[in-house]
Amino acid sequence: ETGVTQTPRHLVMGMTNKKSLKCEQHLGHNAMYWYKQSAKKPLELMFVYSLEERVENNSVPSRFSPECPNSSHLFLHLHTLQPEDSALYLCASSQDLGGKLEAFFGQGTRLTVV
Amino acid sequence: AQSVTQLDSHVSVSEGTPVLLRCNYSSSYSPSLFWYVQHPNKGLQLLLKYTSAATLVKGINGFEAEFKKSETSFHLTKPSAHMSDAAEYFCVVSSGGGADGLTFGKGTHLIIQP
Repeated sequence: ETGVTQTPRHLVMGMTNKKSLKCEQHLGHNAMYWYKQSAKKPLELMFVYSLEERVENNSVPSRFSPECPNSSHLFLHLHTLQPEDSALYLCASSQDLGGKLEAFFGQGTRLTVV
Repeated sequence: AQSVTQLDSHVSVSEGTPVLLRCNYSSSYSPSLFWYVQHPNKGLQLLLKYTSAATLVKGINGFEAEFKKSETSFHLTKPSAHMSDAAEYFCVVSSGGGADGLTFGKGTHLIIQP
């Protein structure tokens, strides 16, 4: 248990559905991240939040929409996804930005788009 | 700019024999380096980290890694493999600087033969 909890663990959705992934951390961290992990590809950083403000968006399609209502919660809203969006979505947090401190990861949400 | 190269996509060893997972990095700054492990259908767990202190870093589960600046390497080792070590291992580099986040290698799949 890393202190970062993601729900749901598994999600199957159609291309016309709207769903949300949730991430919660009780570590008192100020930075939170969404990563995408696809088969045979390196982890891709999608979004970075620091103190509830988005500080990075790595050219992610607009069908992915993040939300950070407070420093403990992070959401990823999904709509009109494509089959190639099927992947493991990982949430992480760290004390602050800057990279000298390790990130703590949740167990991920396995997303399948049909 | 920063990058990390894991030299082997798969490594297979027999139980009880040494493990060596190779990682080379590139960084414009003094980097922090991490090794994470991911068991099937799980999130990433931090094994160990180097942040400019001792060059030989000890981690959990008997793993250790040595930072060699002259070789730009951060190889992961363990004297004696255990069946429970079978997993995916990621070498990660961070040069800090804010919202860069972490740069992940493509991973090395460690297989333990009985």
